[in-house]
Order: sequence, then structure tokens, then C-alpha cells
Amino acid sequence: DTGVSQNPRHKITKRGQNVTFRCDPISEHNRLYWYRQTLGQGPEFLTYFQNEAQLEKSRLLSDRFSAERPKGSFSTLEIQRTEQGDSAMYLCASSQRTGMGTEAFFGQGTRLTVV
Amino acid sequence: AQTVTQSQPEMSVQEAETVTLSCTYDTSESDYYLFWYKQPPSRQMILVIRQEAYKQQNATENRFSVNFQKAAKSFSLKISDSQLGDAAMYFCAYRSAQDAAGNKLTFGGGTRVLVKP
Repeated sequence: DTGVSQNPRHKITKRGQNVTFRCDPISEHNRLYWYRQTLGQGPEFLTYFQNEAQLEKSRLLSDRFSAERPKGSFSTLEIQRTEQGDSAMYLCASSQRTGMGTEAFFGQGTRLTVV
Repeated sequence: AQTVTQSQPEMSVQEAETVTLSCTYDTSESDYYLFWYKQPPSRQMILVIRQEAYKQQNATENRFSVNFQKAAKSFSLKISDSQLGDAAMYFCAYRSAQDAAGNKLTFGGGTRVLVKP
């Protein structure tokens, strides 16, 4: 499968625990994005990387959230001290930088439930 | 900041009929891209159609077409000859053409399309 892969698909955690999600982008894509989607809403941008550099973070990304993309390949999104409000679908997408109108390809997402 | 608004939470269409989904957006930029994405239940989001703002001609992809009205900042999606597989959430999205903006997407709230057999 050469698409964007996210793991795990589902995660249930107790409030206060830390969780980490992984995203493997399409191999030739140098841009990687994280979005959060709550039930019945559109995705909201969290952060993006160009290669290994994190170039932008949304105000939605509180201090409890951290994302990395070591070596410009896969990315991880960690949430520390989870809260019930963190329950959402976390989507990863990747794209190429070059070219007009480059398309973002999305993974299937990781659904987080904080109990 | 750009905003995208989809005013129809849900639309229902009979199989083989046509349905039109509305989208309006707000931006001060002159060059940008607009997209419609489809998100089936428990499946990944896929691109349906794309429109470059500098192009006057409306984009078409098989049974999907758009009506792009730049002055009105309107970008509607028409699904013709609706099929059961078209049932999904549809999201309108905006992206700046400025490379510094990083290609991030701003999404609307979505419209759920139901297709009746």
C-alpha cells in the first residue's frame, strides 16, 4: 500500500495518560500535515512539516501536544496528560511541495477516545 | 484568516438524480485553490475535484462539476446521476496559493449526502 498510513486506527485511553500516534506519509512527499476532526465537524489544521522541519503550529496545538518528524520520514503526534476534550479523529496528510495545486493525500485517521 | 462555510448540514437525493452542495468562503487573497473532498463512513478523505482561482472555466470530473463564482466567493458542487456510493460527508476546502502558507487546508463544516435507492 503506497498511501498515507496511520497507526493505531483506534485508541482508548484514560484521562491523564499520554498517547502517541504515528503517520507514515507517501514516500516521495516532503510535506506532512496533522489535522484534528471532532464529530460532525470539518478537519482543523494542527501543524505541518516540510521534511524534518516543523514550519507552522496552530493555536489549537496546546503545550500538551508535540509533533516530530525525524529524518523527514514518518511523524509522531504525542498528547500528554490527555483530557476528554482531546477525543477526536486525528488525521495525517502528505503532499509534495513543488507544483501548482499539489494534492494532499489523507490517511484513515486515528480515532482517540479519552474516558 | 480564511473561513469556509457550508450551510447545508445534510442533503438527500434520489439515486440517479442531481444534488448541489453549497460552499462560500472568505479571503482577501486573489490566488488560491478550492477543493471538494469526500469522506465515506470510516474511510479516508479523498479528493473529488479541484478548482484554481485563476481559471474561469469550471472544473469537471465525470459526474462531479463545480460552479465557481469568484466575485461572490461561492464554490458549489453538483453531483449528477447520483449513485449509492456517493453517500458520504463532503467537505469544501480552501488553500492559499502562496507557498509560504504551506499548502494547509481550511475546511468547511461538511455536508452529509444521503442517497435514496
